[in-house]
Formats: sequence, C-alpha cells, structure tokens
Amino acid sequence: SQQGEEDPQALSIQEGENATMNCSYKTSINNLQWYRQNSGRGLVHLILIRSNEREKHSGRLRVTLDTSKKSSSLLITASRAADTASYFCATDSNFGNEKLTFGTGTRLTIIP
Amino acid sequence: DGGITQSPKYLFRKEGQNVTLSCEQNLNHDAMYWYRQDPGQGLRLIYYSQIVNDFQKGDIAEGYSVSREKKESFPLTVTSAQKNPTAFYLCASREGGRNEQFFGPGTRLTVL
Repeated sequence: SQQGEEDPQALSIQEGENATMNCSYKTSINNLQWYRQNSGRGLVHLILIRSNEREKHSGRLRVTLDTSKKSSSLLITASRAADTASYFCATDSNFGNEKLTFGTGTRLTIIP
Repeated sequence: DGGITQSPKYLFRKEGQNVTLSCEQNLNHDAMYWYRQDPGQGLRLIYYSQIVNDFQKGDIAEGYSVSREKKESFPLTVTSAQKNPTAFYLCASREGGRNEQFFGPGTRLTVL
C-alpha cells in the first residue's frame, strides 16, 4: 500500500528558483527519507529525518517534518537544470526499518 | 567499485514464459529488496530478504518468486502467473542497522 502521497504530482520552475515538494503519510514512523530518481534510473538517497527532528539541511536541501500532521516537505534552493528528476518520500514504521513505503512522487522540471 | 548491479537493462518476454532478473551487490549489505515501478507511479515492494536463506513477501508478491542463497545475490523470477508483468523492476540493498537503501539501475521488462 502507498503510505506516502506527494504533492504536487508535477512541478515546473525556472532555473534559480526554489522548489518545494510535500509528502503526507498515514501511520507513525521512526524516520522519513527523500530519494531522487532520474528518468529510467535507480533511486538515490538524498536525506533522512528522524521523527524527533523538525528540520534538517544538506547543501541546497532543506527537509521539514511535522509528525502531528504526518507531513514532510522538501525544499531545493537555487534550482539547477540537473535537479530535473522525480522525488519520492519513503517512510518506515515505528516497528522497525526493515521495509520502506514509498510515495507516488513529484516530477520536477527545471527550465533553463 | 562498490555497488549494486542489475542485468539485463532491457528484457523482452513472450506471454507464458518465466524470466529471471539478476541483482548482485558487493556492498556486504545484509538486506536486499525488489520493487516494481509502473509509469508515473511510486515503488511497490515485491519481496525482501534480511538474511541469507530467508525472505518475506512484500505487498505484491503474487506471480513472483525469489531466492537468497548467497549474501550478494537476490534474483527475482517473474512467473507466467503474473498477469501484468510489464514494468520497471528495481533492486535495492541496505546495510544492517542503517536506514537508507541503495538502488541498482533497474531492469525494464516488456511482455510481448
């Protein structure tokens, strides 16, 4: 079952602008991860945020987590053409990290 | 180079035939996973294995089978019982005690 739902489904912005994607999930989690997928390729892990964290940064990425609303956001600042990809959130459960449940993804297009 | 490999990249199958997708990793990871991705969709878990000679069904295991005879290998067989096998198949691995998964490049299976 798909626990995570991202919105928007697709987003197009000009190079240099910031991109924000949102993820909602249904059950309690230990942590939430964001992955990137270039077209026709495997996924690449971007960042992990734990359930006791509210915000985390990594380079141009900023992730927030609101466990009371069961939602997370991924902000990419100063976007580049190379950021064009699909972005997925993935959650484990508070029973352990053996399985991840992936969202439906946001397809981001950066217009040069 | 350490990594996870999948072969072949493209695979064509006639209806009624079984086909096996290869997944190999030299990361010394304990856990391995198979996912299916349909166009514009997220990932759905088919099977996973946390240790050699043991594996568990995921959300959509019907019509698929796996084996885990070696730590580095986790082949997936798509059987003729899988009614709609055309999809992009992704293999992933995870180090024990950590949360992030590492993905292979994927195999695109087309049933003719």
